[in-house]
Amino acid sequence: EAGVAQSPRYKIIEKRQSVAFWCNPISGHATLYWYQQILGQGPKLLIQFQNNGVVDDSQLPKDRFSAERLKGVDSTLKIQPAKLEDSAVYLCASSQGGENTQYFGPGTRLTVL
Amino acid sequence: EDQVTQSPEALRLQEGESSSLNCSYTVSGLRGLFWYRQDPGKGPEFLFTLYSAGEEKEKERLKATLTKKESFLHITAPKPEDSATYLCAVGNYGGSQGNLIFGKGTKLSVKP
Repeated sequence: EAGVAQSPRYKIIEKRQSVAFWCNPISGHATLYWYQQILGQGPKLLIQFQNNGVVDDSQLPKDRFSAERLKGVDSTLKIQPAKLEDSAVYLCASSQGGENTQYFGPGTRLTVL
Repeated sequence: EDQVTQSPEALRLQEGESSSLNCSYTVSGLRGLFWYRQDPGKGPEFLFTLYSAGEEKEKERLKATLTKKESFLHITAPKPEDSATYLCAVGNYGGSQGNLIFGKGTKLSVKP
């Protein structure tokens, strides 16, 4: 069974630029999550989707971050404009349902200069 | 406030030297406690889920246990390939389904 796919794996941008990350979850998984992991910290949930709908985006900085999940499968996370403090690994995870085990992708390492 | 604290931050063991990692948690209502392993440059890899005090689960050299306030990850006779960061997370009934609160992790190094 294929795992969670993410791209790109690495991205370096200047502050105030925009960037987008892509995630393809495990086939059949209805729930998709985006996490931010700052160096030396555990992952922090940014947004959770159930199929097409947003379940929880309480920790998403909505003035600069946005996310969508079209057709209930792939998802994109966008940052515009980026700040230095956005430097982190962005992890995508999926699960069969909200209460099930979450499986993580390899992450995208973002460096903002 | 729901919180997860892991200790120690880093642990260095010799191959074959057994030890335990600790995860202390404060949560309004525990929906589940999760252990993940994270290798450098990779995403967390699922290990165990524990749901109630007294529950234990094993996988190869790893054994996870749960009490009402903490969980332990016991590593028996570790090998160098067990070197990784081990993350503990809790799900609570107070938050949205699926919202996991992670600790900062314990970085384990096993020397041959």
